[in-house]
Amino acid sequence: QKEVEQDPGPLSVPEGAIVSLNCTYSNSAFQYFMWYRQYSRKGPELLMYTYSSGNKEDGRFTAQVDKSSKYISLFIRDSQPSDSATYLCAMRNTGFQKLVFGTGTRLLVSP
Amino acid sequence: GAVVSQHPSWVICKSGTSVKIECRSLDFQATTMFWYRQFPKQSLMLMATSNEGSKATYEQGVEKDKFLINHASLTLSTLTVTSAHPEDSSFYICSASFLREAGYTFGSGTRLTVV
Repeated sequence: QKEVEQDPGPLSVPEGAIVSLNCTYSNSAFQYFMWYRQYSRKGPELLMYTYSSGNKEDGRFTAQVDKSSKYISLFIRDSQPSDSATYLCAMRNTGFQKLVFGTGTRLLVSP
Repeated sequence: GAVVSQHPSWVICKSGTSVKIECRSLDFQATTMFWYRQFPKQSLMLMATSNEGSKATYEQGVEKDKFLINHASLTLSTLTVTSAHPEDSSFYICSASFLREAGYTFGSGTRLTVV
């Protein structure tokens, strides 16, 4: 079993839809949780990071962490074609710097 | 925000030659930098972790003599692919962490093609 599980997709939605992206994990020691967006042939771009459980909102993006269920989510409201990319979840322990990534979910937003 | 500059963005080299990739933190001091390799449609694979002024820590299965990492200053780390072969062709990405941030910043990546 992988430490972090993420559905690879692709996930296809129409423009304006609400998108839900999720990851599950097995290591209860993870404390920092991140979402990255990666366009083809580019490096990942940090979208959101959260420490421990809770919600965090930034514009059209909302990140949720449920440590009791070992489940994290990223919601994208009013999705746009420019949101079409691969979304990677990542997490790490407190004080231990190596990130553990999910496989990434490919999102396609059609006009 | 924090910016990590990676160069070159793409490089083509002949088999048997060496290639150096640079990763610079532009507006912060990076105590730790990470080097990843990414195959098409796959996630990032951590190759090594480098701390300024000390030897890099390589992940299991990564040849340290082939992938030389140098982190001579708090703003620069380099990855040298020595005696490159076609199977080394890949997308290489660096990432940097700085003390107070939990989210790491990535460079734009280098596409290496060995012919």
